[in-house]
Amino acid sequence: GQNIDQPTEMTATEGAIVQINCTYQTSGFNGLFWYQQHAGEAPTFLSYNVLDGLEEKGRFSSFLSRSKGYSYLLLKELQMKDSASYLCVLNQAGTALIFGKGTTLSVSS
Amino acid sequence: ETGVTQTPRHLVMGMTNKKSLKCEQHLGHNAMYWYKQSAKKPLELMFVYNFKEQTENNSVPSRFSPECPNSSHLFLHLHTLQPEDSALYLCASSQGGTPGLTETQYFGPGTRLLVL
Repeated sequence: GQNIDQPTEMTATEGAIVQINCTYQTSGFNGLFWYQQHAGEAPTFLSYNVLDGLEEKGRFSSFLSRSKGYSYLLLKELQMKDSASYLCVLNQAGTALIFGKGTTLSVSS
Repeated sequence: ETGVTQTPRHLVMGMTNKKSLKCEQHLGHNAMYWYKQSAKKPLELMFVYNFKEQTENNSVPSRFSPECPNSSHLFLHLHTLQPEDSALYLCASSQGGTPGLTETQYFGPGTRLLVL
């Protein structure tokens, strides 16, 4: 959506670390989601940040800075199956979720 | 499997046809959503139902008509569509309450629609 900015495409190699950035503008912040979507499949929930800081879940971590309107998704020890689109999703007060255009990540061997 | 199913998975229809998309959730949720996903565009919210009541219609053309007979089922009736309506149509559900709160949405696999 127009309130969310994330890179269109990124590439990385197996075993590497990649950081997908997301910036947003909002007047009423409730939280920020990250979803993963493989080609032709449904988006699946990865993480939800409400407070500032880093939340770690296995190989995936998500960071939020509310004052900067900034989040990132960090993927470690990349695997081929991590090739997908990663959606930054804003939970804005008074509206339904607002989806970013997504970042298509391609992992090569 | 997310607990949300959609049928059909693929649909090809002419501009004069009438068809319906079906969504069913097995999660005990009370809110259901229809989204449209076109190539190179973000997901676009179409409709929201909370406890079977439509709470949001995001300026969707009347050729798309939603129906929510109960909290587990959601339909999207299609009539006289245009080629630009070709897209992936995704259904989602969440616990219930007002959209915009801390509600994770769970998506179905989508229906890939092609309008000729």
